[in-house]
Amino acid sequence: AQSVTQPDIHITVSEGASLELRCNYSYGATPYLFWYVQSPGQGLQLLLKYFSGDTLVQGIKGFEAEFKRSQSSFNLRKPSVHWSDAAEYFCAVGAPGGGADGLTFGKGTHLIIQP
Amino acid sequence: GAGVSQSPSNKVTEKGKDVELRCDPISGHTALYWYRQSLGQGLEFLIYFQGNSAPDKSGLPSDRFSAERTGGSVSTLTIQRTQQEDSAVYLCASSPSRDNYGYTFGSGTRLTVV
Repeated sequence: AQSVTQPDIHITVSEGASLELRCNYSYGATPYLFWYVQSPGQGLQLLLKYFSGDTLVQGIKGFEAEFKRSQSSFNLRKPSVHWSDAAEYFCAVGAPGGGADGLTFGKGTHLIIQP
Repeated sequence: GAGVSQSPSNKVTEKGKDVELRCDPISGHTALYWYRQSLGQGLEFLIYFQGNSAPDKSGLPSDRFSAERTGGSVSTLTIQRTQQEDSAVYLCASSPSRDNYGYTFGSGTRLTVV
């Protein structure tokens, strides 16, 4: 069965500092990989996704993620965070080519931005 | 509509009552998904619809849960004889097709069972 681990429940970063959120997955092959962000009281918004090809993926809001097959990781990064980045971040995996089984999400990382 | 609309946004119900949660997907989106988000469990996939058909209902937590979709559009998730462990945020997402996970999520229905 596929699974996603986000080791950090909470992360606190100073505004303007760099950010890296960790994600490790367990899957039989290379899955489709996703990062979502959820602001309080809101649904989830897709930041970026990886299907194949270039392992460094650019997303919205200045985020990027790197797929590392050898480490089964898909870490999210941002060079300089803004106060508006404070939110809950979810990593997810899905079966390639088909969404009938939905996505498997990690438990999330709560990002706090210090002034 | 412009986005995925879910209603009600909040629902408080007494234990043992039935509730209906509604999802109005983006027009033309054939794929529709229900997820449950609860403390400690994270986001849990419940069911997928392609058109009006749900190929696999095994993700529903118990036989008190049912879902339907009519006209390839609106979907309802029904929970019968609600229990306190059903308290969660129920999220709906729609996608143009199932193949690319092009989800747009609604804002969810927060269900509280007292």
